[in-house]
Amino acid sequence: IAGITQAPTSQILAAGRRMTLRCTQDMRHNAMYWYRQDLGLGLRLIHYSNTAGTTGKGEVPDGYSVSRANTDDFPLTLASAVPSQTSVYFCASSLDSNNEQFFGPGTRLTVL
Amino acid sequence: GQNIDQPTEMTATEGAIVQINCTYQTSGFNGLFWYQQHAGEAPTFLSYNVLDGLEEKGRFSSFLSRSKGYSYLLLKELQMKDSASYLCAVRDSNYQLIWGAGTKLIIKP
Repeated sequence: IAGITQAPTSQILAAGRRMTLRCTQDMRHNAMYWYRQDLGLGLRLIHYSNTAGTTGKGEVPDGYSVSRANTDDFPLTLASAVPSQTSVYFCASSLDSNNEQFFGPGTRLTVL
Repeated sequence: GQNIDQPTEMTATEGAIVQINCTYQTSGFNGLFWYQQHAGEAPTFLSYNVLDGLEEKGRFSSFLSRSKGYSYLLLKELQMKDSASYLCAVRDSNYQLIWGAGTKLIIKP
């Protein structure tokens, strides 16, 4: 692994289903983030983690949950998907909250 | 509320210079970032300003005026590969990034 990876690349999901988006980084970064990007809007922060074992809510956390069991992994779970969660999801990491963020390639999620 | 404003779209000619402006109103200020995002790809870091003035990095420069809540990204000697969206983001008092919607830059030969 080099940098930050996300899986799956894309997914079509039925409304009401549970879905986990995976994010892994090998840069030993302390901070990790989940954003969604919708046409015409800026990136919006869903959840973040400043260090392993801690998480925080961003601007649009409702309907999403995260965990940070270790430094490398930061999965995002949609407990019961709704069509408004159709978006491109980016995971990012930074050495700490003072540094620039590096982004994964994104997951394109469609909820029908 | 917090707000980042950028033009939606700009067009420039290959070899020319273009300036992309960003104005912001945020709860606190702990630095301003510029990112480049090609269509269908992830954002990539371009520059960071925390003090007033100009930061130069090759063909790209970024300027900040904290008193005016204003920044610009200057791209010189434009190349076709510079066609992309340019995202302005401000780190607020909670050390979270607030993002503008991005400026789509179209380069014409």
